[in-house]
Amino acid sequence: GAGVSQSPSNKVTEKGKDVELRCDPISGHTALYWYRQSLGQGLEFLIYFQGNSAPDKSGLPSDRFSAERTGGSVSTLTIQRTQQEDSAVYLCASSARTAVAQYFGPGTRLTVL
Amino acid sequence: GESVGLHLPTLSVQEGDNSIINCAYSNSASDYFIWYKQESGKGPQFIIDIRSNMDKRQGQRVTVLLNKTVKHLSLQIAATQPGDSAVYFCAETAAGNKLTFGGGTRVLVKP
Repeated sequence: GAGVSQSPSNKVTEKGKDVELRCDPISGHTALYWYRQSLGQGLEFLIYFQGNSAPDKSGLPSDRFSAERTGGSVSTLTIQRTQQEDSAVYLCASSARTAVAQYFGPGTRLTVL
Repeated sequence: GESVGLHLPTLSVQEGDNSIINCAYSNSASDYFIWYKQESGKGPQFIIDIRSNMDKRQGQRVTVLLNKTVKHLSLQIAATQPGDSAVYFCAETAAGNKLTFGGGTRVLVKP
C-alpha cells in the first residue's frame, strides 16, 4: 500500500515568510509524528498526534511552529516568520498506534534564505 | 545535540562480510527500540524493532541485540551488500510515542 507522503519535497523561502508543510499518513494509522533533521542536530521530535487526544507539542522549538491534523488524517506543519536556523529536512511519520513501528515519509527539505 | 553529516562515525565493510553497528542509549525507562536505515535524500526506513522484554530478534539478514544492563543495542547485518550502504540510526521510546534518535552510523560497503 501507499506509504507516508509529504509535500512539497523541497521548499525555498525568504527569511520572515510563513511556510506550510503537508503530511499524508498511511491510511488507517492513528498516530502521526513530525521530526526535524538538521546538520549538527540529528533527528529531533517536534510534535505527536494520537487519535482525538490533545497533541504532544513538547518538541516544538518556538511559538512560530504549529501543527494541526484535520479529520484524523492529513497534517500540516506551519512555520511562521521563518528564520535561517529553521532550514532542515522536516520528516513526518505515522504508526498504527503508539508503541509500534513508525514509518517515515521522504521529508520536505526547507531552505530559508 | 547529536552530530550527523560529515561528523558521523563510519563503518567500512567488505561486501559479503558481516556488519555490526552499535548504539548506546541513556534512558533506562526505554522499552521499545527501532533501527532505521536512511539513504541519501530519503526518509528513514524501518529495519527491525525490539521490545525490552526481549534480548534478541532476527529478521531477514538482520539481527538486533539488546543488553538492558549496559543500555546497549546493536544491529548485525549478515553478508553485507552494496545496497546496505546508508546511515543507520537507532531510536528509543519510553512512552510509546516520540522517538529519541541516536547520532547515526554511516556504513560504507566496499566491493
